[in-house]
Amino acid sequence: AQSVTQPDIHITVSEGASLELRCNYSYGATPYLFWYVQSPGQGLQLLLKYFSGDTLVQGIKGFEAEFKRSQSSFNLRKPSVHWSDAAEYFCAVALNTGGFKTIFGAGTRLFVKA
Amino acid sequence: DADVTQTPRNRITKTGKRIMLECSQTKGHDRMYWYRQDPGLGLRLIYYSFDVKDINKGEISDGYSVSRQAQAKFSLSLESAIPNQTALYFCATSAGATYEQYFGPGTRLTVT
Repeated sequence: AQSVTQPDIHITVSEGASLELRCNYSYGATPYLFWYVQSPGQGLQLLLKYFSGDTLVQGIKGFEAEFKRSQSSFNLRKPSVHWSDAAEYFCAVALNTGGFKTIFGAGTRLFVKA
Repeated sequence: DADVTQTPRNRITKTGKRIMLECSQTKGHDRMYWYRQDPGLGLRLIYYSFDVKDINKGEISDGYSVSRQAQAKFSLSLESAIPNQTALYFCATSAGATYEQYFGPGTRLTVT
């Protein structure tokens, strides 16, 4: 069965430090890949997406993600974290199976310490 | 103004009551979705609609129903609410087959 795994339930980083959030998926073909961010009390906002082409994609707020087919991974990175990045981050895959199916990971909550 | 709005934002109701959550969008998207979010489970799809005459069940549709009143409006109903339907509910939209979704601010529902 298709699945999305975010191994880290929560991560704490210092402001200014680099960040990497992990995402692995289980699917036989290459899906469409997304990262969303959810700030407290708000809905999800799209950070970036990968459909095809260059495996390193740039998103909003200084985030980037790299698709690695051999590892079935789509990890999110940011070189320098700001306190305002504290939020919950969701990896999602959309499967082009002729019908609609988007699967979300369980989320990783990011804490930023001063 | 927000592109995707949900009403109410918070609701407390009792077991057995009927409740409706409403979603409106001004993005002009044809596709609309209802999800519920539970801690540690991410988002799970309840229902989705690709146009006004198209309604499809998601992975957890039992106990829920929907109505697509217009392209811009998609309502979720709980016919007889139960405590394990306590959750955060999100409406989302997308355009065509782009798969990227735009979310409303959520409705926090508590069933006592």
